[in-house]
Amino acid sequence: DTGVSQDPRHKITKRGQNVTFRCDPISEHNRLYWYRQTLGQGPEFLTYFQNEAQLEKSRLLSDRFSAERPKGSFSTLEIQRTEQGDSAMYLCASSANTNEKLFFGSGTQLSVL
Amino acid sequence: QKEVEQNSGPLSVPEGAIASLNCTYSDRGSQSFFWYRQYSGKSPELIMFIYSNGDKEDGRFTAQLNKASQYVSLLIRDSQPSDSATYLCATPGGYQKVTFGIGTKLQVIP
Repeated sequence: DTGVSQDPRHKITKRGQNVTFRCDPISEHNRLYWYRQTLGQGPEFLTYFQNEAQLEKSRLLSDRFSAERPKGSFSTLEIQRTEQGDSAMYLCASSANTNEKLFFGSGTQLSVL
Repeated sequence: QKEVEQNSGPLSVPEGAIASLNCTYSDRGSQSFFWYRQYSGKSPELIMFIYSNGDKEDGRFTAQLNKASQYVSLLIRDSQPSDSATYLCATPGGYQKVTFGIGTKLQVIP
């Protein structure tokens, strides 16, 4: 499978717990994006990487969110001290260079109880 | 003002008709525009992209771009029930960060 892979597909957690999601992009893609999507809304930009460099992080993102992309390959998104408002679908996408055509993974559905 | 504006719909069209989906954007630096289709419970899938003013056709889909009016549209000819989905307009703007609209829900009635 050469598509974008995300793990886990679903995550249920209790408020206050930390969660971490993983994304494996298409191997030749050097750009990797994280988005959050809630019902009835479009994907909301969180952050993106070019290779291992994090180029931008949304100003809407609190300090509880952190993302890494060591060695420019897979990426992780961590949410600390989760809140019920964090419940959403977390989408990862990758693109080749600057052609900006995004290929999405299946997403991780987070439910915070 | 949001960077990308879309009407959330739903837009209902009968099977076989032309569906017209519209999008406006605020950043005049935007050079490229994308349309994604998202089925319920699935991830967005790229279906069209356009870089130049005018029309671009691919099968039943036509993307139209008017940079002077900051307006992008997607036409779907001979609409099929399988086209029922949410259509997302997106652009990287001037800063390479790809921003999406809220999406327009399309319903094709058999």
